[in-house]
Amino acid sequence: NAGVTQTPKFQVLKTGQSMTLQCAQDMNHEYMSWYRQDPGMGLRLIHYSVGAGITDQGEVPNGYNVSRSTTEDFPLRLLSAAPSQTSVYFCASRPNWNTEAFFGQGTRLTVV
Amino acid sequence: GNSVTQMEGPVTLSEEAFLTINCTYTATGYPSLFWYVQYPGEGLQLLLKATKADDKGSNKGFEATYRKETTSFHLEKGSVQVSDSAVYFCALSGGSNDYKLSFGAGTTVTVRA
Repeated sequence: NAGVTQTPKFQVLKTGQSMTLQCAQDMNHEYMSWYRQDPGMGLRLIHYSVGAGITDQGEVPNGYNVSRSTTEDFPLRLLSAAPSQTSVYFCASRPNWNTEAFFGQGTRLTVV
Repeated sequence: GNSVTQMEGPVTLSEEAFLTINCTYTATGYPSLFWYVQYPGEGLQLLLKATKADDKGSNKGFEATYRKETTSFHLEKGSVQVSDSAVYFCALSGGSNDYKLSFGAGTTVTVRA
């Protein structure tokens, strides 16, 4: 099993550019989430989904969009990149709300 | 909503020392509690979990007990190794229809030989 696959691993954007971070899982998990990790801030939830067609906002959703058209994929879109979005982004999936979450390897994004 | 408060780091220890990382939570209902570990340059992986009060999760010599009366889930290991150097995150999910997986700020642990 590949588990949770995130692409790209590294990305540099200019302020104002848009891009999509990809996340795919092959475990048929219903729950998927996006987090950002910043020094001293832990992991902060951006958006999450409890199944195909269902998404909701987390703690820090501004500047990000998501959609969940299939069980496998949960892309994160940055609409107009800002330096404050420089971070490491993690995608996670889990089968249910009280079960182990599986994480991707992360995407390190720098906005200049 | 749910929240997790975790002991601040960084924590530096000598090999074979005892490690405790405090974690308390705020939640209604009966959430599940987790400890995740992140090694340098990697994503997070589950270390242990507990799904109901008084449950003890254990793995790789680490233990944590779900204490509902004190809303705590402290992580302990009796004798740490250099290979335990990592960032440790306390997390919770569930309780009263809150399905988000929420994390504490993380505690950086460095073990010196």
